[in-house]
Amino acid sequence: RKEVEQDPGPFNVPEGATVAFNCTYSNSASQSFFWYRQDCRKEPKLLMSVYSSGNEDGRFTAQLNRASQYISLLIRDSKLSDSATYLCVVSRIINNDMRFGAGTRLTVKP
Amino acid sequence: NAGVTQTPKFQVLKTGQSMTLQCAQDMNHEYMSWYRQDPGMGLRLIHYSVGAGITDQGEVPNGYNVSRSTTEDFPLRLLSAAPSQTSVYFCASSSLGGMNTEAFFGQGTRLTVV
Repeated sequence: RKEVEQDPGPFNVPEGATVAFNCTYSNSASQSFFWYRQDCRKEPKLLMSVYSSGNEDGRFTAQLNRASQYISLLIRDSKLSDSATYLCVVSRIINNDMRFGAGTRLTVKP
Repeated sequence: NAGVTQTPKFQVLKTGQSMTLQCAQDMNHEYMSWYRQDPGMGLRLIHYSVGAGITDQGEVPNGYNVSRSTTEDFPLRLLSAAPSQTSVYFCASSSLGGMNTEAFFGQGTRLTVV
């Protein structure tokens, strides 16, 4: 079983739609949680960290449920530019050990 | 603002050849790491380093060597290339420790072993 599991998609949504991605992790020692965005044939870049209380950055909202070992990302009012692969990442502080999900691919269509 | 620089961007090797992927960062980060990305697998950690002179193995270290003689550089060596090493390789760096530490990635190296 992979340490970080994501629905691979693809998610194909129209502009303006709301879309949600889910992620589960198996290591209860994980301490930091992130969503990274990766455009086609590019490197991953940090989209947002995920805090225990949940956090929002514009159209993006991230939630963490430590008890269920579950992380989510909600994108509201999707834009064409949101088309990318979204990577769920968990890490332990010791040694910055980051584990990646396989990614969820999103395509936003006009 | 160079960040993390990887070279080369593309490489084709014959089975059995060796090569070194270069990685340099200018952010004075203690932590550097190498990942490979394969379809459907996500990024998997090959080797990492928490500072000059210190390296350790990640999830998939076999067939790869690393060294960290300076804070800035962290080269990855393929000892004897195999077709199973065909992948996209990413180097990353970050500050060490602390919550929610962002990792910065190089642009990647697309390696094909024939």
